[in-house]
Amino acid sequence: EVQLVQSGAEVKKPGQSLKISCKGSGYSFTSHLIGWARQMSGKGLEWMGLIDPEDSDTRYSPSFQGQVTISADASINTVYLQWGSLKASDTAMYYCALLAHSYVDTDVDPHKYYFLDVWGQGTAVTVSS
Amino acid sequence: DIQMTQSPSSLSASVGDRVTITCRASQSIGRFLNWYQQKPGKAPKVLIYAASSLQSGVPSTFSGSGSGTDFTLTISSVQPDDFATYYCQQSFGAPQMYTFGQGTKVDMK
Repeated sequence: EVQLVQSGAEVKKPGQSLKISCKGSGYSFTSHLIGWARQMSGKGLEWMGLIDPEDSDTRYSPSFQGQVTISADASINTVYLQWGSLKASDTAMYYCALLAHSYVDTDVDPHKYYFLDVWGQGTAVTVSS
Repeated sequence: DIQMTQSPSSLSASVGDRVTITCRASQSIGRFLNWYQQKPGKAPKVLIYAASSLQSGVPSTFSGSGSGTDFTLTISSVQPDDFATYYCQQSFGAPQMYTFGQGTKVDMK
């Protein structure tokens, strides 16, 4: 079974650093991009960015560029999301997700269609003084 | 950036009702549109990818349609397990730019 298992809930103070993790199992870890999404309490999903675990090529949504760092350690099938200096506004649930792709009709449509197929269970981050 | 707008933001339905949720993209995205279901306290789950392809294991009461800028998710007969929030997501262009709609909450009438 393909699974992503995230690290546990965190409570931090403003200005502290934090690194949360997402460990993949049941598939070839370097075969799929892994992304992160934020969900603030009672709000919708926001796509933060993603990493290719094969070469650690990382791309960020403009809203999160410079705010977080995504990294990977393929030797232990783990992707990370980290903050250098947390703010109260970073309080949210964070999900990692595996980017799968499929073809729908190769006779007429050559495109690869990407979607978030497997999700971690989420890591709650609370930043409060 | 491509903006995704869902409507309505919420709706109430009874078991057995037909429900339609729409998602509009700010520019043409072909069929690069996915739908997810999220229940309270749980991670999202993909229902539909490429606008109309049903993900394995998803009941056939769910269907998706559309292309270009206008898309719909239809639940042909709402079941008790379907009360949840639904999100569209565009997957056109660079993967770091994949954006979600704001969500549509479907609750019981």
